[in-house]
Amino acid sequence: KNQVEQSPQSLIILEGKNCTLQCNYTVSPFSNLRWYKQDTGRGPVSLTIMTFSENTKSNGRYTATLDADTKQSSLHITASQLSDSASYICVVSGGGTSYGKLTFGQGTILTVHP
Amino acid sequence: DAGITQSPRHKVTETGTPVTLRCHQTENHRYMYWYRQDPGHGLRLIHYSYGVKDTDKGEVSDGYSVSRSKTEDFLLTLESATSSQTSVYFCAISESNSGGLYEQYFGPGTRLTVT
Repeated sequence: KNQVEQSPQSLIILEGKNCTLQCNYTVSPFSNLRWYKQDTGRGPVSLTIMTFSENTKSNGRYTATLDADTKQSSLHITASQLSDSASYICVVSGGGTSYGKLTFGQGTILTVHP
Repeated sequence: DAGITQSPRHKVTETGTPVTLRCHQTENHRYMYWYRQDPGHGLRLIHYSYGVKDTDKGEVSDGYSVSRSKTEDFLLTLESATSSQTSVYFCAISESNSGGLYEQYFGPGTRLTVT
């Protein structure tokens, strides 16, 4: 069964600190991996999309890495801000006959304290 | 929210009543999706559409039906609402980007409570 597991489930950090969120997946065949940010009461917003040939991608203070061999990804947030408080969702898109089928992780809830 | 609106944004209804949620897009994207989001679960696909009058089931389609009579509108209907359908419902749209990937853009969500 295709699965996406994220850790930790929740994380509290102080403003200005860095943090790293983890994502492990079993989706096969694999097409691409996405990270979304979801603010409370709103829909998810895309941060990055990476195909199997990309092992790092940045979007401002967000940097995602991908190791397609070990089926792991991470999202690193640099110099956190209060506005980074949100749920971060890892999503894997299948390939082959499952092309475009998305499997969602449950998300990591990040809280940034002043 | 990428030119996507959902209506209503909040609804409380009673068990057994029919409910229709509407998703409207102004992006002219071909693909539209309905998801539900529940605590302890990732977003789960209910139904999706790949064109006008072209729809297919997702992983949690039981108890739901959809219709798409125009490119811009995708309706989700609960024929007879049950308490297990209390959830937050998200509409999403997608189209192929320059890299051939189908980025999905999500609407603001509809919070549905079935009492």
